[in-house]
Amino acid sequence: EAGVTQFPSHSVIEKGQTVTLRCDPISGHDNLYWYRRVMGKEIKFLLHFVKESKQDESGMPNNRFLAERTGGTYSTLKVQPAELEDSGVYFCASSHRRSKEETQYFGPGTRLLVL
Amino acid sequence: AQSVAQPEDQVNVAEGNPLTVKCTYSVSGNPYLFWYVQYPNRGLQFLLKYITGDNLVKGSYGFEAEFNKSQTSFHLKKPSALVSDSALYFCAVRLQGNLIFGKGTKLSVKP
Repeated sequence: EAGVTQFPSHSVIEKGQTVTLRCDPISGHDNLYWYRRVMGKEIKFLLHFVKESKQDESGMPNNRFLAERTGGTYSTLKVQPAELEDSGVYFCASSHRRSKEETQYFGPGTRLLVL
Repeated sequence: AQSVAQPEDQVNVAEGNPLTVKCTYSVSGNPYLFWYVQYPNRGLQFLLKYITGDNLVKGSYGFEAEFNKSQTSFHLKKPSALVSDSALYFCAVRLQGNLIFGKGTKLSVKP
């Protein structure tokens, strides 16, 4: 069974540009999460999809971030326009059910550097 | 506010010695507790979790963790460390949908 995949693995962009990150969850997993780790700090929750619906987007930092999950399969996270403080590692995770005991399986992350 | 603390940025252990990576939490209610590991240039891998029942939880790669409700701790342990255990370890709690993570502890195991 393939794990969670993320693309690209790395992205270097200039301030003001747009970047789109993609996440493909484990097949059959309805729950998809985005997290971000800024250098040396905690991994912080961004948002949670159940199928194509946003269940919780309380962690989204501002309206420069837009997440979509059309069709309830893969998800994209767009940052437009990117700012220096957006640099970090963006992780995607998925789980089959949304219950508290369900394990979330993480992808390898996308390392974003905004110059 | 809900939070997870990993008080040590780095833990150094000699190969063959026991290791402990500490985690304490401050949340309301009864959280579920998780440990993840990140090897260099890899994603987060699930190690183990505490849901209910026995306070000692066994996980992957010989790791175990002990849940202590009175001390609100969930320390990660292994009886005999391997050089290949060197990685970044994250403790996390879950109340609702999302995970709340600690800052991570870098474990370095020397031969």
